[in-house]
Amino acid sequence: SQTIHQWPATLVQPVGSPLSLECTVEGTSNPNLYWYRQAAGRGLQLLFYSVGIGQISSEVPQNLSASRPQDRQFILSSKKLLLSDSGFYLCAWTAGLAGGTDTQYFGPGTRLTVL
Amino acid sequence: AQKITQTQPGMFVQEKEAVTLDCTYDTSDQSYGLFWYKQPSSGEMIFLIYQGSYDEQNATEGRYSLNFQKARKSANLVISASQLGDSAMYFCAMREGHYGQNFVFGPGTRLSVLP
Repeated sequence: SQTIHQWPATLVQPVGSPLSLECTVEGTSNPNLYWYRQAAGRGLQLLFYSVGIGQISSEVPQNLSASRPQDRQFILSSKKLLLSDSGFYLCAWTAGLAGGTDTQYFGPGTRLTVL
Repeated sequence: AQKITQTQPGMFVQEKEAVTLDCTYDTSDQSYGLFWYKQPSSGEMIFLIYQGSYDEQNATEGRYSLNFQKARKSANLVISASQLGDSAMYFCAMREGHYGQNFVFGPGTRLSVLP
């Protein structure tokens, strides 16, 4: 069966510090991968998605970036964090199937607080 | 314009009663998928149920059913026999197009089950 991991689970960082959040998927090949951010009490905002190694699409211009160095690894980064980067970051994957029930499955999330 | 609308920010239901969470969507695609997710206080997004745009029957998964009214563009979630553990945020989501990669989420409905 497939599993998705995220780490760290929680993170407290000062403004201006760098960020690296990691997401890995097991039990599947060539998944589509997604990064979302959720502000407290709000819905999900899609940040990046990737359909393959080195292929990244950005949905929201900001000081975050994403990379996919391996098939089942997705990394969210920042060179300098802002207060507004605080939130709950969720990684998700799909099998990348056309049509059908290409369901999105989520990791446990990383709660980031920027002080 | 909002692609997914959930007009109920919060709902209350008595334990063992049924509850309907509303979701309307906006798309010009003929092929799309509709999803419901549950997010308990732990933060993890849990997939509940899927409905394809070409599915003629309403989807059911245990105590969850999806009331799909295509002409009205609505995809309401029905939870039967509510349990205390059903208290959570519920998100409606849509994937557009036969080869669509992106998922759009609604703002969510917070359900509270009363003992």
